[in-house]
Amino acid sequence: GQNIDQPTEMTATEGAIVQINCTYQTSGFNGLFWYQQHAGEAPTFLSYNVLDGLEEKGRFSSFLSRSKGYSYLLLKELQMKDSASYLCAVSPGAGSYQLTFGKGTKLSVIP
Amino acid sequence: DSGVTQTPKHLITATGQRVTLRCSPRSGDLSVYWYQQSLDQGLQFLIQYYNGEERAKGNILERFSAQQFPDLHSELNLSSLELGDSALYFCASSVGDHTGELFFGEGSRLTVL
Repeated sequence: GQNIDQPTEMTATEGAIVQINCTYQTSGFNGLFWYQQHAGEAPTFLSYNVLDGLEEKGRFSSFLSRSKGYSYLLLKELQMKDSASYLCAVSPGAGSYQLTFGKGTKLSVIP
Repeated sequence: DSGVTQTPKHLITATGQRVTLRCSPRSGDLSVYWYQQSLDQGLQFLIQYYNGEERAKGNILERFSAQQFPDLHSELNLSSLELGDSALYFCASSVGDHTGELFFGEGSRLTVL
């Protein structure tokens, strides 16, 4: 089976740094994705990790440890527009063609 | 704009009715995925088509069916609707037949009264 856990809600201050954690237990693994979803809108792709380590893309970075079944999304220099849900998703790999999503972490950025 | 088009954006109907949701993938994408998102649930995978053929099935109810047409657009048919079917239904597309970056449409919000 597939199980993906992430915190339900987080609050952080504008200009600060926040780390959103994701742990997963899946029957296979072919990569981990992070998506951003503003309320009532479509999810949009943020990052993809398939190997261990840190991937940096502007203010956003994503880390993966396959041995620990663990990932995090790091958001720096938070802006009010970063208030959104952040979805962790796993690609189970060969023979399975869909992403399994966690329930998402709702991030609120406050002044 | 992801390039994925979904219609209708909003739909209100009654229990027991049937509705059809439509999705046009990005130009060049051969795979279409359908997801359901309820208030208390994450995105739940329903079904995937690749170049007209069903590729994978997830938590799709027997009352629901889908197909992908030769022009690659897809339709999700929901029948004998129940209150619990009220949700956002997203369509996503990707280039290949295995998961990679998915491009999501804006979703169809279904309300069953």
